[in-house]
Amino acid sequence: NAGVTQTPKFQVLKTGQSMTLQCAQDMNHNSMYWYRQDPGMGLRLIYYSASEGTTDKGEVPNGYNVSRLNKREFSLRLESAAPSQTSVYFCASSRGTSNTEAFFGQGTRLTVV
Amino acid sequence: QKEVEQDPGPLSVPEGAIVSLNCTYSNSAFQYFMWYRQYSRKGPELLMYTYSSGNKEDGRFTAQVDKSSKYISLFIRDSQPSDSATYLCADLEGAGSYQLTFGKGTKLSVIP
Repeated sequence: NAGVTQTPKFQVLKTGQSMTLQCAQDMNHNSMYWYRQDPGMGLRLIYYSASEGTTDKGEVPNGYNVSRLNKREFSLRLESAAPSQTSVYFCASSRGTSNTEAFFGQGTRLTVV
Repeated sequence: QKEVEQDPGPLSVPEGAIVSLNCTYSNSAFQYFMWYRQYSRKGPELLMYTYSSGNKEDGRFTAQVDKSSKYISLFIRDSQPSDSATYLCADLEGAGSYQLTFGKGTKLSVIP
């Protein structure tokens, strides 16, 4: 029973490098989300995809791009990583029509040096 | 202004104690209220949600919402060491909204 799976779990990048964080869910959920979690800041929404084929900006979208590849997969791309993007990134999914229960992945710990 | 205020703690209690965790919110449009639990180095998991004022019970957990004062609480009875985690409150404007607003979390330690 996998739920929401994120890869990689850990990553160290140099400033200016690019990378893509992968997320897949096996619950047939319509909506998917990317959050970042920083000490003292709580969880903040980066981007979300209400349904397959749509994406929208959240609270902190700058420096990121997303792709909803299909209903299962939602990726987050950092085109030119900056130290300010050092964070723990969580992918989540929900049924969508009533987003009262979001299921989260285990997180990706990203350090940009 | 979509803010949810939550005391970050840390909060340390002896095993068996009753724990009270609290949040306040400023957006009157919030209709749904959730509590998530997050163990160290794990993703958050939903504990409870409610959309009305009053109490909702689930085993040792009770969620309480007072919309008139914009105050939400989570009570844990007979606390256990396994309850040691960070507790996040989250609010949602409505069933059609996709943007959860999270509090910053309260770190709880239950000492055996």
